[in-house]
Amino acid sequence: DAKTTQPPSMDCAEGRAANLPCNHSTISGNEYVYWYRQIHSQGPQYIIHGLKNNETNEMASLIITEDRKSSTLILPHATLRDTAVYYCIVRVGGTSGSRLTFGEGTQLTVNP
Amino acid sequence: GAVVSQHPSWVICKSGTSVKIECRSLDFQATTMFWYRQFPKQSLMLMATSNEGSKATYEQGVEKDKFLINHASLTLSTLTVTSAHPEDSSFYICSPDGDRVSYEQYFGPGTRLTVT
Repeated sequence: DAKTTQPPSMDCAEGRAANLPCNHSTISGNEYVYWYRQIHSQGPQYIIHGLKNNETNEMASLIITEDRKSSTLILPHATLRDTAVYYCIVRVGGTSGSRLTFGEGTQLTVNP
Repeated sequence: GAVVSQHPSWVICKSGTSVKIECRSLDFQATTMFWYRQFPKQSLMLMATSNEGSKATYEQGVEKDKFLINHASLTLSTLTVTSAHPEDSSFYICSPDGDRVSYEQYFGPGTRLTVT
């Protein structure tokens, strides 16, 4: 699986958009970009994934550059409950026995 | 999303004793189970992968005789930390997977183990 690079920490004001960047310059054509988050002392939670098109769901938006070497997770209106470590992971396809390899992630702190 | 439970959610044990952690996949059949551990202020590290009815595959550096994994059914997997030592104190998280096409990996809520 391709390696990802994320800033170790970011701050965001409550109610504002949080934009979390991720570099994955060695991503292969069949690898997807996944985002998970982990609130303190809980298991990771799936947020969103994408291959090459931008994606949006009820939690977030995912913007992937045209060359697919980087992406940005956008939380449009951050709340205090969004304070967590956010992990950007690249992996081939769907699940069915395929592991997720976690990097160091970005600690997002949403401030009141 | 799928419902995954772990028991206990936290446990304190004395050095030298063994601790069993249960992971249940409540609404789908987990043919594969991933076990992760997470030390304070660190990321999740995969410990082992097990398939229902067969022996687990351990990651490099993880002692298979110390961390016993049983995956005897499609809804239950257990991780037993044998002869626990303080350095085994960690957050243990299971992640079941099944024969399905899905892009969302599910995780248990985790078990906090403290060895005194």
